[in-house]
Amino acid sequence: QKEVEQNSGPLSVPEGAIASLNCTYSDRGSQSFFWYRQYSGKSPELIMFIYSNGDKEDGRFTAQLNKASQYVSLLIRDSQPSDSATYLCAVREGGGFKTIFGAGTRLFVKA
Amino acid sequence: EPEVTQTPSHQVTQMGQEVILRCVPISNHLYFYWYRQILGQKVEFLVSFYNNEISEKSEIFDDQFSVERPDGSNFTLKIRSTKLEDSAMYFCASSSTGGASGANVLTFGAGSRLTVL
Repeated sequence: QKEVEQNSGPLSVPEGAIASLNCTYSDRGSQSFFWYRQYSGKSPELIMFIYSNGDKEDGRFTAQLNKASQYVSLLIRDSQPSDSATYLCAVREGGGFKTIFGAGTRLFVKA
Repeated sequence: EPEVTQTPSHQVTQMGQEVILRCVPISNHLYFYWYRQILGQKVEFLVSFYNNEISEKSEIFDDQFSVERPDGSNFTLKIRSTKLEDSAMYFCASSSTGGASGANVLTFGAGSRLTVL
């Protein structure tokens, strides 16, 4: 059973701090890695994707990928109360059409 | 910005009834998906659809479920003889790329909440 594991949280950080979210995956053949944000009662929305080892930055967000360790992370700099949501790590299986999701980490940013 | 449209937003049905959930994917996308999320649980893959056929399905997607693209714009999920445990949010998604190449970025619709009584 291919799995995507995340700490469920909640992770609580003060406004302006860096939030660090982590994810591990079991399928070594995985090709692409995604971070989605989901507000309560809403659908997932893409924050960013990464498929090469290393860091990828987009505004306040940085995704980090380490395929050898099967580890993906998301850093959110200058966290804002509006960043409070559940962050879903998703992994696209190698050779297939399926993207599987972790259970998500709940983030609270305190004003 | 292009979006995935789902109807209905909420459907209440009696156990044993059939329901059809409808989706209009983004117009230039070629890959279509249904996911579901039971309240408080993870987003689960049900099925992917490409070139007018199912490309992959999960163990959840048994004979109770079917998908169809009846015309050039709609993509439907049919659930026959609904059970209490089918109560969930059902998300349709589409992507412009898929298969062995591309980032396969999913764009989700707002979801259809199904309540089975």
